[in-house]
Amino acid sequence: QQPVQSPQAVILREGEDAVINCSSSKALYSVHWYRQKHGEAPVFLMILLKGGEQMRHEKISASFNEKKQQSSLYLTASQLSYSGTYFCGTGAYSGAGSYQLTFGKGTKLSVIP
Amino acid sequence: DSGVTQTPKHLITATGQRVTLRCSPRSGDLSVYWYQQSLDQGLQFLIQYYNGEERAKGNILERFSAQQFPDLHSELNLSSLELGDSALYFCASSPSPDREMAQYFGPGTRLTVT
Repeated sequence: QQPVQSPQAVILREGEDAVINCSSSKALYSVHWYRQKHGEAPVFLMILLKGGEQMRHEKISASFNEKKQQSSLYLTASQLSYSGTYFCGTGAYSGAGSYQLTFGKGTKLSVIP
Repeated sequence: DSGVTQTPKHLITATGQRVTLRCSPRSGDLSVYWYQQSLDQGLQFLIQYYNGEERAKGNILERFSAQQFPDLHSELNLSSLELGDSALYFCASSPSPDREMAQYFGPGTRLTVT
């Protein structure tokens, strides 16, 4: 089941903050966050595990609420380099015991001067 | 640079044809994943291999197949191509297929079917 991301798109001025949400209708074992710039490959940001701590990557942090089955990505004091599409991925174990990610449709973040 | 390599970078072919996309995972990674990304679409999981064995299948068409070789590189074969198969195809790798493992993506192969 594909996680739902919100908002679909957001425009920020440099220095502003933003929150991107990722919700699932199923219980979550982990949430993966990736950023993809136009024409490039997705780049890993961080993983949040069930029962784990809040994670941080530079000025980007994320939380994982197991009860609500959702994760939020917090971008603080945004920089131009934060522009891109952010994807969350939630997973399930296959019959063979492998963890398979399903990605949301993405949130397009544009940071302007 | 993630350490994952994919060839070719671009591929233009006609409907009905067959193509092979190749992926070499990061050194030490045993798990390989294939994703399809259409224009302005998210990443659709196709198939996953771990140490040569198929471990999970996603929305992969019957016209598509893949395999992982003993040297751990993987190939995705797309046959009887249709216009709708035009997309970016990404390969990703991780040390193992566990929930705490980050996936590292290659630069992708852009397939255009005319």
